[in-house]
Amino acid sequence: GEDVEQSLFLSVREGDSSVINCTYTDSSSTYLYWYKQEPGAGLQLLTYIFSNMDMKQDQRLTVLLNKKDKHLSLRIADTQTGDSAIYFCAERGTNAGKSTFGDGTTLTVKP
Amino acid sequence: DTGVSQNPRHKITKRGQNVTFRCDPISEHNRLYWYRQTLGQGPEFLTYFQNEAQLEKSRLLSDRFSAERPKGSFSTLEIQRTEQGDSAMYLCASSLVDGPGHGYTFGSGTRLTVV
Repeated sequence: GEDVEQSLFLSVREGDSSVINCTYTDSSSTYLYWYKQEPGAGLQLLTYIFSNMDMKQDQRLTVLLNKKDKHLSLRIADTQTGDSAIYFCAERGTNAGKSTFGDGTTLTVKP
Repeated sequence: DTGVSQNPRHKITKRGQNVTFRCDPISEHNRLYWYRQTLGQGPEFLTYFQNEAQLEKSRLLSDRFSAERPKGSFSTLEIQRTEQGDSAMYLCASSLVDGPGHGYTFGSGTRLTVV
């Protein structure tokens, strides 16, 4: 079945760049997503990328996709303390209704 | 539209009792999803609807769990004869079947504690 793996923790200093990595197993994944979860809240969709793209940039966020290696990354430029949260990678196949999520990467931003 | 609304926010119940949660999706969204999340884990798929039709149900879901979306709008998730292992955050999300990227809008969740 589908599986999505992420490293559990990342700590950076305010103003630095953060890079959160994700690997997935389903070669038929068509859409790949990054969600952010703050304490006590539901998940918020940050950005997504189609599997036929290599890169997508949205303000401070850059998503890189290596489809051959099934590797997805999220780069946050000029990381701020408000970026501290759990970041989830997710994938969805072409004909699938559901998305499969990783277990999340906890990003801690130190002042 | 105020987004995806879930009620109640918190529910404490005794083992063996039945509980029901409600989700009100974004009104124009035709897909509605239920996920379960435990501490330190990502959301785990339970079931989803397209309009009023339940299109997929997780094999992990026991027959104590049932979900409905009778008019294609709000949805309810019922857990019968609750067990301590059911304690989790229950998340509802909605999306458009042909929306950009088909990404979800999540509600804030219902936290269930079974004592």
